[in-house]
Amino acid sequence: TQLLEQSPQFLSIQEGENLTVYCNSSSVFSSLQWYRQEPGEGPVLLVTVVTGGEVKKLKRLTFQFGDARKDSSLHITAAQPGDTGLYLCAGPRSNDYKLSFGAGTTVTVRA
Amino acid sequence: GAGVSQTPSNKVTEKGKYVELRCDPISGHTALYWYRQSLGQGPEFLIYFQGTGAADDSGLPNDRFFAVRPEGSVSTLKIQRTERGDSAVYLCASSLVRDSPLHFGNGTRLTVT
Repeated sequence: TQLLEQSPQFLSIQEGENLTVYCNSSSVFSSLQWYRQEPGEGPVLLVTVVTGGEVKKLKRLTFQFGDARKDSSLHITAAQPGDTGLYLCAGPRSNDYKLSFGAGTTVTVRA
Repeated sequence: GAGVSQTPSNKVTEKGKYVELRCDPISGHTALYWYRQSLGQGPEFLIYFQGTGAADDSGLPNDRFFAVRPEGSVSTLKIQRTERGDSAVYLCASSLVRDSPLHFGNGTRLTVT
């Protein structure tokens, strides 16, 4: 059983559309991280959210951490083909430092 | 080399053989992690090194898996008597200190036939 559940598993959209992917857990996390992973490469850190209710923006990407620090979302505005990839959320469990990863959402943006 | 380097990028081996996977972390990073990523899954923690010592090996699946980091830099993950279920991408990551952001390598794709 994954500690972090990500949905949807797959998402295919047309260039210019918006999308949101979700990361949910029954556990509280001190922080959550979002990574993007492209085929044949390792995950690359996009952002870390720390405070409940926090919203962070990275160009067209908006990240939100739930008030109870159990969930997070990633919203992409006007998606581009370069946004294609596997989006992973990860966080350290309470009283632990090790990152637990979700299974990821595979996003495909068609030109 | 600015990033984490892993070699080989691909390794195909027969069931029962021994393999070694190498990780060269970013210079100056004291923390080094090994993760395993199976198809359709996120990375799963295997082992964490702080300097030369394995500070946490709780993620190693069984005693066929072993890792070393003798000089506090390069690390080698060793798998004995490989099984088909060991097939996965093995990712290495390093960070400046334990709670700093992780920098991942591109992984070694291991296929056991």
